[in-house]
Amino acid sequence: GAVVSQHPSWVICKSGTSVKIECRSLDFQATTMFWYRQFPKQSLMLMATSNEGSKATYEQGVEKDKFLINHASLTLSTLTVTSAHPEDSSFYICSARRTGSSYNSPLHFGNGTRLTVT
Amino acid sequence: KQEVTQIPAALSVPEGENLVLNCSFTDSAIYNLQWFRQDPGKGLTSLLLIQSSQREQTSGRLNASLDKSSGRSTLYIAASQPGDSATYLCAVPNTGNQFYFGTGTSLTVIP
Repeated sequence: GAVVSQHPSWVICKSGTSVKIECRSLDFQATTMFWYRQFPKQSLMLMATSNEGSKATYEQGVEKDKFLINHASLTLSTLTVTSAHPEDSSFYICSARRTGSSYNSPLHFGNGTRLTVT
Repeated sequence: KQEVTQIPAALSVPEGENLVLNCSFTDSAIYNLQWFRQDPGKGLTSLLLIQSSQREQTSGRLNASLDKSSGRSTLYIAASQPGDSATYLCAVPNTGNQFYFGTGTSLTVIP
C-alpha cells in the first residue's frame, strides 16, 4: 500500500505556456502533500506544503503566483507552473503522508515529473 | 535550520563488497531519519525509517544505524549487487512535517 502516482512523468513545453502536474495518493488519503524540486546532481528542495481544503504554504523564495498549488481532495494535489521559462526546467517530485499519521510515519513519494521548457 | 550532509558524494565498489554510507545532521532533536533510494530520473523509494528511540533498523541486506547524540546515521549494504547502483538519500523531518534531505551518495556497483 501507500502508492503515490505522479503524472505526467515527463513534459516538454514552450516558454510562456503553463503546465499542470498531478499528484495522487492511490490507496490512502493524504491531507498533506509536499512538492519538491530537484536540480541535476542536487538534493530535493521543498517548494511548498499542500493542505487539502486550504491554501498551500510556500517556502521562502518560491513564487506563489508562478507555482500554483491546488489540493481540492484528499487524494489529489496539483502543481501548475505558469508562464514557464527555461529556468523552470527541473525534476518535480511530490510526496504524501497518510491522513492522521504522525511525524514518525514514513513519507511516500511519486516518481517525479521531468519538465523541460524550450 | 537543520543541515544534512552525506559522505561520500560518490562511491564505486566491486560486486559482493560490503559498504557504508554516511549521513550527518546538525540538529539532534529529530523524530526519525529515513533512507531513500533514487534511480536516475525517478522518484524516491523508501528503504528504511529509523525512529529517534531506535539505534538500528534492518531490512534484508540493508542495516541503518542512528546515533542521535552525535548527529549521525549510517546505511550498511551487505554483499552489494549491480542492482544496488543508485543514489541514496537520507532525510530528517522537522516539526512542520517538512523533510530536510542530504545531497545524496551516488553508488555504482561494478559487476
